[in-house]
Amino acid sequence: AQSVTQLGSHVSVSEGALVLLRCNYSSSVPPYLFWYVQYPNQGLQLLLKYTSAATLVKGINGFEAEFKKSETSFHLTKPSAHMSDAAEYFCALKTRKLIFGQGTELSVKP
Amino acid sequence: ETGVTQTPRHLVMGMTNKKSLKCEQHLGHNAMYWYKQSAKKPLELMFVYNFKEQTENNSVPSRFSPECPNSSHLFLHLHTLQPEDSALYLCASSQDLTSGSYEQYFGPGTRLTVT
Repeated sequence: AQSVTQLGSHVSVSEGALVLLRCNYSSSVPPYLFWYVQYPNQGLQLLLKYTSAATLVKGINGFEAEFKKSETSFHLTKPSAHMSDAAEYFCALKTRKLIFGQGTELSVKP
Repeated sequence: ETGVTQTPRHLVMGMTNKKSLKCEQHLGHNAMYWYKQSAKKPLELMFVYNFKEQTENNSVPSRFSPECPNSSHLFLHLHTLQPEDSALYLCASSQDLTSGSYEQYFGPGTRLTVT
């Protein structure tokens, strides 16, 4: 069965620290994977996507994600957190439809 | 207006009311979606339309009734809702279901409270 698992419902980092949000997937076919961000009282905004081209994908706001087939992972990273990065982040897998993970809330401490 | 817009942004309704949520996309897309986002739960896909035809109803109760008059507009008609229906309702659009452009673009949502 196709599924997406985000490890950690809440992650807290200090401003300037590395951000690492974990996503693992299960798919019987080559996956298309996405990261979305949701700021309070807003809809979801696409951060980046993997569609079987380069395994390291760069997105907006300095985020990037690396597709690792052997680990069935698509973790999201950013070298240096900013206060404005505080939001909820969703990993999603495209099969016939989009399957979303549970979400990870990122807090950034000053 | 650009992107995907939703109105109203906030709605409070009683269990016996009838109301409608509206979504409009200005992206030239042909697929549109309704999602329900409840606290502490994953996003739940409710309905999918492709070129105005409904392609998916994800076992949604009949008190939710979608309507897609054209590829740019999507409605969700609500009647005799329950308090557990209180949630953020998100609309999204994508190019279509078969072109290979898979990303979905979301509206800001309607925060629905059923009293």
